[in-house]
Amino acid sequence: NAGVTQTPKFQVLKTGQSMTLQCAQDMNHNSMYWYRQDPGMGLRLIYYSASEGTTDKGEVPNGYNVSRLNKREFSLRLESAAPSQTSVYFCATSPGGATEAFFGQGTRLTVV
Amino acid sequence: GQSLEQPSEVTAVEGAIVQINCTYQTSGFYGLSWYQQHDGGAPTFLSYNALDGLEETGRFSSFLSRSDSYGYLLLQELQMKDSASYFCAAPPGSGGYQKVTFGTGTKLQVIP
Repeated sequence: NAGVTQTPKFQVLKTGQSMTLQCAQDMNHNSMYWYRQDPGMGLRLIYYSASEGTTDKGEVPNGYNVSRLNKREFSLRLESAAPSQTSVYFCATSPGGATEAFFGQGTRLTVV
Repeated sequence: GQSLEQPSEVTAVEGAIVQINCTYQTSGFYGLSWYQQHDGGAPTFLSYNALDGLEETGRFSSFLSRSDSYGYLLLQELQMKDSASYFCAAPPGSGGYQKVTFGTGTKLQVIP
């Protein structure tokens, strides 16, 4: 079992470019999340999907969009990247409530 | 909203016991989770306390006191591999159960 798989692992973008971060899970979990982690800031929730077909904003949704394609996949899109979006992005899943989450290995994104 | 506060750094000696504290302010409360994250890695779930008291999992224990809005992670028989960042996390008590907030993390350094 792969658990939670994120692609790509590393990415460098120029300001204004767009890209989609992919996340897939084989844990059959209902809930999926996107977090960003900046140095000294802990993890901040961008968007989440409590179940297939639903998505909701987290703490820092501005500049991002998401798609819950099916139960397995939850993608995060940056429409016009900005240097402030330089961060490590983590996808996570949980079986229901968010008390125990399983994280992917992260995508390290640099916007120049 | 809610906030979770942790000390930024803790240093302890190999073989010793260390306690990492987390105080929270929230309008409601479901429980407190703990995660470990090694440098360059993804967070991994350690424990969850829904009720007051101590939960023990091997060398790690977690404690919660709702009346004091306080919890801690206790690591016993410290090993060098325990050097990592530790985060407490909690969902809000009123609505948005999935909107878990993470503390800013405590960086634990274990020294010989």
